[in-house]
Amino acid sequence: DTGVSQNPRHKITKRGQNVTFRCDPISEHNRLYWYRQTLGQGPEFLTYFQNEAQLEKSRLLSDRFSAERPKGSFSTLEIQRTEQGDSAMYLCASSPQGAQNTEAFFGQGTRLTVV
Amino acid sequence: GQNIDQPTEMTATEGAIVQINCTYQTSGFNGLFWYQQHAGEAPTFLSYNVLDGLEEKGRFSSFLSRSKGYSYLLLKELQMKDSASYLCAVRDWNSNYQLIWGAGTKLIIKP
Repeated sequence: DTGVSQNPRHKITKRGQNVTFRCDPISEHNRLYWYRQTLGQGPEFLTYFQNEAQLEKSRLLSDRFSAERPKGSFSTLEIQRTEQGDSAMYLCASSPQGAQNTEAFFGQGTRLTVV
Repeated sequence: GQNIDQPTEMTATEGAIVQINCTYQTSGFNGLFWYQQHAGEAPTFLSYNVLDGLEEKGRFSSFLSRSKGYSYLLLKELQMKDSASYLCAVRDWNSNYQLIWGAGTKLIIKP
């Protein structure tokens, strides 16, 4: 296990379609985060899991967005009825529980383009 | 509320030194992180500060003053590969220890 893995790396979809992204965190990491990032901005928090429990969800996240981490390992992020404003880089990060000074490790991201 | 400010863009010369500042406002400060992000790539960890003072790591150093809500990242002996965005992020225990991110500073290195 060399790091956080995200698939696909790129996704082009038509407006109104549903898309699903996958994140495989570093295997011993309990915490998993989803972020969205647009050009020239820092990552925007979407949601956070500790093991299989979704502990926090951004108020900015509409009901078209849903995330799961069914077995506390990989996670999926689904966007239903995509809109052009959903075009962004979707980043997944993981970190171990407990150590306060431990940084989050990011995957390479999934770049979504809605046309 | 929570707020993180850093300059949008900076330019420096290869071989020189540059300081990127970050100011923050948060009610539950629990550490400050600096990340580097090359265009189209994921952020990668550079440094972590939780106590006041300077943390040095090779060509990169990071400073924190909690009373002033201020940090800087110092890059020495700049190389062309240092051209990237530098993101300041604060961990907030009032937000379930989430990272609150700045918009990043785009650093351009010129020969």
